[in-house]
Amino acid sequence: NAGVTQTPKFQVLKTGQSMTLQCAQDMNHNSMYWYRQDPGMGLRLIYYSASEGTTDKGEVPNGYNVSRLNKREFSLRLESAAPSQTSVYFCASSEGDASYSYEQYFGPGTRLTVT
Amino acid sequence: GQQLNQSPQSMFIQEGEDVSMNCTSSSIFNTWLWYKQDPGEGPVLLIALYKAGELTSNGRLTAQFGITRKDSFLNISASIPSDVGIYFCAGPTTSGTYKYIFGTGTRLKVLA
Repeated sequence: NAGVTQTPKFQVLKTGQSMTLQCAQDMNHNSMYWYRQDPGMGLRLIYYSASEGTTDKGEVPNGYNVSRLNKREFSLRLESAAPSQTSVYFCASSEGDASYSYEQYFGPGTRLTVT
Repeated sequence: GQQLNQSPQSMFIQEGEDVSMNCTSSSIFNTWLWYKQDPGEGPVLLIALYKAGELTSNGRLTAQFGITRKDSFLNISASIPSDVGIYFCAGPTTSGTYKYIFGTGTRLKVLA
């Protein structure tokens, strides 16, 4: 039982390049989330997926797109990377509303640098 | 919008000491979550609180859901070196149960 996994762990991009961050969970959770964490700050929600087939914007969605590929996988895409997107990205999952559980479980993170 | 303020921002303590930190908001929360983040890792859930006044323990950690629903407290007893890390409070906002906000964290350092 791996929990939440993320790939890659590290990535360096040049301004304007695109890439997709992958996330998968094996806990049969309904809901999944993408956060970014900047130095000395808490986590800010980028996008979330309440259940398979749905996605919605969080606090800081500009410059990102997401895909809920199936119940297990939730990807985050940067179409044209900018230096302001240099950050650590975390994926998380939770059981969702059906169980009235709001406990989120996080992956190890992807450290992205945009030059 | 809703914000979570954590204090203190950082603290240095001696091994064996007890630690207290808190999280406050200007808005009501129905759930409080406490996480710990080790360097280079993702946050790990420590304690979840669902009822005002609730007091929950997890080993040496004890957390309380404030009666006003606008605050929560985390205590660590008899600290050890592996308690080092950043402690975050978090909760779902009133605008949507999937929209969580996180505090800015309390950075804890334990001196052996």
